[in-house]
Order: sequence, then structure tokens, then C-alpha cells
Amino acid sequence: DADVTQTPRNRITKTGKRIMLECSQTKGHDRMYWYRQDPGLGLRLIYYSFDVKDINKGEISDGYSVSRQAQAKFSLSLESAIPNQTALYFCATSDYGTGANVLTFGAGSRLTVL
Amino acid sequence: AQSVTQLDSQVPVFEEAPVELRCNYSSSVSVYLFWYVQYPNQGLQLLLKYLSGSTLVKGINGFEAEFNKSQTSFHLRKPSVHISDTAEYFCAVRESIQGAQKLVFGQGTRLTINP
Repeated sequence: DADVTQTPRNRITKTGKRIMLECSQTKGHDRMYWYRQDPGLGLRLIYYSFDVKDINKGEISDGYSVSRQAQAKFSLSLESAIPNQTALYFCATSDYGTGANVLTFGAGSRLTVL
Repeated sequence: AQSVTQLDSQVPVFEEAPVELRCNYSSSVSVYLFWYVQYPNQGLQLLLKYLSGSTLVKGINGFEAEFNKSQTSFHLRKPSVHISDTAEYFCAVRESIQGAQKLVFGQGTRLTINP
């Protein structure tokens, strides 16, 4: 099994629908992140969490929300999806104690909003 | 805020040729720098990192990068590429704001290896 698992891997939805992307990890890492990848823009940080009670906005948090249900689980929600949220979304984890911000990534969730 | 610029969006090279992927970062007192690789339909994985010490850093799959503080660069090189090196490569810098440390990524460089 993968260290960082994202579900679903692919999702097509319609404008205005609520969408949840889920991420779970078996690394035992305390830090979790959601990034968005768009062609030509690289990866941009949406939200990050350094432990269960810590949630922080990244550079592009508008239109998104997150929940850290447990140390191993970090979900990303789009309350009312819009077409410009069509992108590839990555969950990542890191360990403050040993990682120096070395991230372990999931395989990605491709979201298409029609 | 830190920023990273990857100077080439696409780099086509022939198999067994050398390659250099360029990365410049905004200056800071101290920097941690990273190169990640994304193979088709996969997540990103760490290729190499510079934290301190020797400015020449060796990574996986024969890649290496050189930290140049005066030019604020961290270019990635490989002396002889394989078809299997076809992927997108991302340069990243660690940013610290009010004690919170995060990675800031460049725009990515798509490396295409032609036979």
C-alpha cells in the first residue's frame, strides 16, 4: 500500500456541487499539506496542518476548506465547485523531527469541474 | 516571501546527451533547496536536496545539482540522460514565515528525451 493515499484519483463534477478529496497516510508524519498543480504554474499551497489542532491557510485557500480528522487523515473540500478549480490536487506529508521539509506526496486527485 | 523561477518550461534532449535544468531562487540568509521529479501519472518524489555543506549535491538516478549562493541558483544536471528520465522536474525552496516552514515550488520544467 502507498504511504500517502488519495481518494478519489479522478472525479468529474458539475459547477456548484460539493466535493471532498480525502488523504490518508501511514508514514506517522505530523505535518500534512494540500497542493494544487496547474500547467505552467507549478504547485501552489492551499492549506497545511502541523498537527491535529493546527490548520493554516496557504497562498490560494479561497474556495477551499480542510479538516484534519486524525493525525493520519486530512481532507480537502470544495463547498461549491467552479470550473477554474479544475486541476490536479496533491496531498503531501512531512515529519518535523527528521524531514527538514522533505515531502512525501500522494499520487494525486484529478478534478474536473464542468 | 520566497520565490523560485525555473527558466525553461520545456527542455528536449537526445538520449545520452547531457542536460541542465535551471533554477533561480530569491535570496535569503539561509536556504534549503530541493529538486523533485514527477513521472507521468505519478506524484512527486524527492530527487535531491541542499541543506548545508558541500555545494555539489548528488541525488538519485545520476542527477546532481550545484548550489551557487552568489548567483542564487540551484541548477540540476545529468551527464547522460535516459528515455526513462522523461518527466517534469520541480525546484523548491523552504520558506519560513512566523515559524511556519513550507516549500515554495517553481513552475516546473518538462524534460523530454528523444531517441
